Amino acid sequence: KAGVTQTPRYLIKTRGQQVTLSCSPISGHRSVSWYQQTPGQGLQFLFEYFSETQRNKGNFPGRFSGRQFSNSRSEMNVSTLELGDSALYLCASSPNTGTGLGTQYFGPGTRLLVL
Amino acid sequence: ILNVEQSPQSLHVQEGDSTNFTCSFPSSNFYALHWYRWETAKSPEALFVMTLNGDEKKKGRISATLNTKEGYSYLYIKGSQPEDSATYLCASLNNDMRFGAGTRLTVKP
Repeated sequence: KAGVTQTPRYLIKTRGQQVTLSCSPISGHRSVSWYQQTPGQGLQFLFEYFSETQRNKGNFPGRFSGRQFSNSRSEMNVSTLELGDSALYLCASSPNTGTGLGTQYFGPGTRLLVL
Repeated sequence: ILNVEQSPQSLHVQEGDSTNFTCSFPSSNFYALHWYRWETAKSPEALFVMTLNGDEKKKGRISATLNTKEGYSYLYIKGSQPEDSATYLCASLNNDMRFGAGTRLTVKP
């Protein structure tokens, strides 16, 4: 099976812009989770989608949002970008139905730089 | 413990040494504990998911144990090899998913 794919891999934006990142899960996986990794905060959970519904959410401002499509592909959007949003954004898919209970398979990440 | 804590922060061992690290997590509202191996320039790779007190999992030379009552998990690597060099992350699912800062392992040939 093909692994989790994320596009784009690298992105440069300026403050105030908005950005959309895409994640395609492993075929058959219905759960997609998003994470932010920064040197200062480490890896932090953003949100999880299952069957097109947000099932769990981390402690991030409303500027961070996401959605999931019927084919389980997911997008993450960040509006009004701030310098501190510069990070590696990882998505992970899981075959299990329980939030966070299944093995997470990570994609390669999208590295976002906000200038 | 409110957050997930890992120790040590970094570890240097010689090839062939066995080693272990600790993950401490909140014991209340606990659902699952994940261990990941994260090599530089690669994606995190899932090692284990454990849910029950007393769980023990093994994958080759790597094993892990779980104590949900006291809120800790140990990861053991037997006979470390240079290719084991990576950051080992644990994540606890309680009310939400929280990651530790990781233990960076370097195995010298």
